[in-house]
Amino acid sequence: GAVVSQHPSRVICKSGTSVKIECRSLDFQATTMFWYRQFPKQSLMLMATSNEGSKATYEQGVEKDKFLINHASLTLSTLTVTSAHPEDSSFYICSARDRAGFYNEQFFGPGTRLTVL
Amino acid sequence: DQQVKQNSPSLSVQEGRISILNCDYTNSMFDYFLWYKKYPAEGPTFLISISSIKDKNEDGRFTVFLNKSAKHLSLHIVPSQPGDSAVYFCAASDNYGGSQGNLIFGKGTKLSVKP
Repeated sequence: GAVVSQHPSRVICKSGTSVKIECRSLDFQATTMFWYRQFPKQSLMLMATSNEGSKATYEQGVEKDKFLINHASLTLSTLTVTSAHPEDSSFYICSARDRAGFYNEQFFGPGTRLTVL
Repeated sequence: DQQVKQNSPSLSVQEGRISILNCDYTNSMFDYFLWYKKYPAEGPTFLISISSIKDKNEDGRFTVFLNKSAKHLSLHIVPSQPGDSAVYFCAASDNYGGSQGNLIFGKGTKLSVKP
């Protein structure tokens, strides 16, 4: 099946610093990638949808200046949490839609655990 | 307003028995439904899906049933195994409507299969 990787798998940073998370589709081209956030015991919350070569579409309530998304190529999207604060600590998961695959299928990365001290 | 609901946050089943996970949706435009399985600190993995033109899809121990009139779907796992213990997310999408093919997730049901 299609493989999506995320790096790093976990990161600890100080409050006020910025953290970049990478999402890569390893064996397929992804015109669309999604970024989700999951709080403990809660569902996946879609943060934004990124399309290769264009600006990301953010969900209501998600600060685009805080969560910078770049989808520079068909296999790579990055999420940068700027000036991170403890409340940004969460599990961030990306997914990718196979350009050649079924329209609705999304393949998920393993997630990145962010802890802001 | 939650468009996809999984009203049972948890379910406990004995090994070998059937597990039934339920999911309700409110948007009649949804035309494709998926179930994902998620272990702690991992991304969700695709399990099984069903199109709205079907009412049943089976893959090994997993069967998904869709009742469009009731806007309800269920995932049956039989026989249940301890390795099935995970959180199961129901997701729905519509190709041509508001979600534009994006997935709308329920809150998940934590399944525990006891030996």
